[in-house]
Amino acid sequence: QSVLTQPPSASGTPGQRVTISCSGSSSNVGINYVYWYQHLPGTAPKLLIYRNDQRPSGVPDRFSGSKSGTSASLAISGLRSEDAADYHCAAWDDSLSGFWVFGGGTKLTVL
Amino acid sequence: QLQLQESGPGLVKPSETLSLTCTVSGGTIRSSTYYWGWVRQPPGKGLEWIGSVYYGGHSSYNPSLKSRVTLSEDTSKNQFSLKLSSVTAADTAVYYCARHSGPFSSSWFDPWGQGTLVTVSS
Repeated sequence: QSVLTQPPSASGTPGQRVTISCSGSSSNVGINYVYWYQHLPGTAPKLLIYRNDQRPSGVPDRFSGSKSGTSASLAISGLRSEDAADYHCAAWDDSLSGFWVFGGGTKLTVL
Repeated sequence: QLQLQESGPGLVKPSETLSLTCTVSGGTIRSSTYYWGWVRQPPGKGLEWIGSVYYGGHSSYNPSLKSRVTLSEDTSKNQFSLKLSSVTAADTAVYYCARHSGPFSSSWFDPWGQGTLVTVSS
């Protein structure tokens, strides 16, 4: 069972706006940055959002991240077929000696 | 452009040691800026950080795996390696290598390798 909680699936039609949630705790999301990765099985995961809401160069502004308290969200607007992928959230957890924690991943289907 | 590629046996017997290597191209692992990490994804489950190694041999580990993990680097080959001992079926996963910077709490994994599937079975 993953430390961060994500819905296992999400879906939308082309052009729609979809949000994916990521719930953590006071030792991870509550006090540290959240990161989002896009992953097509069989390929290398790709950094999508860093430090809660920052987009790396080359990531379309259709993708946006936000964080409030112990929860974070990834929003995808103007949904496109190529957005169909698995999305994973991550954060550093300050408990024990500290370690990275991830969500279970959300499979996004574009209908 | 920095690229990472995992390599190693795709099948390991229970109780044995899993050994993987990540070859880095387009850049050097002899960096005082970056860490070199391992992340795995068991079938149908989420990602799990295994640990990271820093130039000079300093390593950090996921507490849940620390007792079984050894990380190392070979700067002459621009590679870093993972050894996971006493494996069980629960260690069956796609294993990824990735780069990140420090401090850990404000860094991210980028880029990643494509991953390699390791199955633990007799």
